[in-house]
Amino acid sequence: NAGVTQTPKFRILKIGQSMTLQCTQDMNHNYMYWYRQDPGMGLKLIYYSVGAGITDKGEVPNGYNVSRSTTEDFPLRLELAAPSQTSVYFCASTTPKGPSGFFGPGTRLTVL
Amino acid sequence: DQQVKQNSPSLSVQEGRISILNCDYTNSMFDYFLWYKKYPAEGPTFLISISSIKDKNEDGRFTVFLNKSAKHLSLHIVPSQPGDSAVYFCAAQSETSGSRLTFGEGTQLTVNP
Repeated sequence: NAGVTQTPKFRILKIGQSMTLQCTQDMNHNYMYWYRQDPGMGLKLIYYSVGAGITDKGEVPNGYNVSRSTTEDFPLRLELAAPSQTSVYFCASTTPKGPSGFFGPGTRLTVL
Repeated sequence: DQQVKQNSPSLSVQEGRISILNCDYTNSMFDYFLWYKKYPAEGPTFLISISSIKDKNEDGRFTVFLNKSAKHLSLHIVPSQPGDSAVYFCAAQSETSGSRLTFGEGTQLTVNP
């Protein structure tokens, strides 16, 4: 079991560029999440999904989009990157009965 | 509106002593609380949790205490070890939020040999 994997580990974007952060889990979890962590702050929920084809907004969804075509994959799309999106992004997954969650190692994104 | 707060950004303790990390919350609908541990360049890992129907949960060196009337929980680590040095996040969820978590800001624990 690889758990939750995220790619890339690091990325630098210029303002206005777009990119997709990849997240894959091999635990057959229905629930998947994208969080961002800014320095000195806790994790904020961006988007989440309770199953393939079902997604919903979290606390801070502006500037992001997601899709969930398979149970395994939950990519996060940044359109028109802005400096405010400089952050560390974590993907997580869990089962409906297990609130603890498994987190990926994170993607460190810098927008200049 | 910070619903989960960890007021101490950092804590330093000696090896073998007790570490106490604190967390306060404002949303009375929260009914499940979790602690996560995070090392640099890694994702958070689940440590221990407690349901609102309990006031204490213990797992080895880690104990979480919940005071519902004060909307306060704490994580005790006894004895502390240098490998415990990490950022600790408190998180909470409610039945209405499903499995979505609300996180505190984190506390950097340093255990000195």
